[in-house]
Amino acid sequence: ETGVTQTPRHLVMGMTNKKSLKCEQHLGHNAMYWYKQSAKKPLELMFVYSLEERVENNSVPSRFSPECPNSSHLFLHLHTLQPEDSALYLCASSQAPGSNYGYTFGSGTRLTVV
Amino acid sequence: GESVGLHLPTLSVQEGDNSIINCAYSNSASDYFIWYKQESGKGPQFIIDIRSNMDKRQGQRVTVLLNKTVKHLSLQIAATQPGDSAVYFCAEMGGGGSQGNLIFGKGTKLSVKP
Repeated sequence: ETGVTQTPRHLVMGMTNKKSLKCEQHLGHNAMYWYKQSAKKPLELMFVYSLEERVENNSVPSRFSPECPNSSHLFLHLHTLQPEDSALYLCASSQAPGSNYGYTFGSGTRLTVV
Repeated sequence: GESVGLHLPTLSVQEGDNSIINCAYSNSASDYFIWYKQESGKGPQFIIDIRSNMDKRQGQRVTVLLNKTVKHLSLQIAATQPGDSAVYFCAEMGGGGSQGNLIFGKGTKLSVKP
């Protein structure tokens, strides 16, 4: 384990469902991120949180709603998703936004929207 | 616009040979670069990084070379092993609109033949 834990590992949901992805980091980092990884595409940054405040939202559709209740936990709430939202969703953390020490990633949640 | 890309989507090498994975970046203001390895079913794992004030950095069996003149980054893996089979991503940080966020390339899939 890298110190960043994501649950569930796999999720299948219908387009009318509501579900949440969870991320927890045990590294004492102050910044957390959600990335989307689709087949044959670069990792896409979705959200950035620093000390529980959202500092960046890269034009992500409102059907994705992040929540960061504290510096160790990050959620991604999903509702009325589309099949094209099927992807691997990765959570990462770093000491601070823009931290030049790299990001630590979790193993991801493989999401399938049916 | 800013982009980080890779010259080859796949690379196949014989076990024991050296591997070289290349990456081109377009943002000359980027000042920090990272190579990640992603194995099947896992999130990206940090391999090695380099800052723009350096042109070479070595780790255990890996070397990263940075050529700022042509905006080129490479990862060299010595004595490639089956466990090195994975997708390798380069990422850049710093400067311009991407300041503070990692921008990833599409990845190169390395396959090691026994």
